[in-house]
Amino acid sequence: RKEVEQDPGPFNVPEGATVAFNCTYSNSASQSFFWYRQDCRKEPKLLMSVYSSGNEDGRFTAQLNRASQYISLLIRDSKLSDSATYLCVVNSNSGYALNFGKGTSLLVTP
Amino acid sequence: DAGITQSPRHKVTETGTPVTLRCHQTENHRYMYWYRQDPGHGLRLIHYSYGVKDTDKGEVSDGYSVSRSKTEDFLLTLESATSSQTSVYFCAISTGVAGNIQYFGAGTRLSVL
Repeated sequence: RKEVEQDPGPFNVPEGATVAFNCTYSNSASQSFFWYRQDCRKEPKLLMSVYSSGNEDGRFTAQLNRASQYISLLIRDSKLSDSATYLCVVNSNSGYALNFGKGTSLLVTP
Repeated sequence: DAGITQSPRHKVTETGTPVTLRCHQTENHRYMYWYRQDPGHGLRLIHYSYGVKDTDKGEVSDGYSVSRSKTEDFLLTLESATSSQTSVYFCAISTGVAGNIQYFGAGTRLSVL
């Protein structure tokens, strides 16, 4: 089983829509969780950390369910500029390294 | 943006030749990483460093070696490049705190013919 699994998509949504991505992880001892964003042919960039109580950053909301080992990202009022691949990231057993999901592709259309 | 510079940004080489990729940081971060990214696989860790001269293997280390003689530089060497090493290589850095958030360089596109 892969350490971090995501639905690859693509998710095609119209501007203004709400879209949710899900991710599951296999290591129950994981302590750090993130969502990264990667634009085509660019490097991954941190979108937000994910905290146990859930957290929000503008139009983006992240949730963590430790019991189910499940992370989610909700994007409200989608913009064209949100089109990208979203990577679910969880710290690994080594503590230093991070495990990256393969990413979920989002395309927001006019 | 994090002060990370990767060089070269693009390289085409032939099978069997040695290749060295460089990652340079100006942030004085302790941890540095090399990943490769391939379609269908996502980002996979090759090697990482937790200090000068301190390195360890990642998930896909076969065929790669690294060196870190200064805090700011982390080198990735392909001793004898193979076509299976055609990939996009990303360097990342982190402080090791705040959950170990990593910041990435712009990447190196390597083609081995």
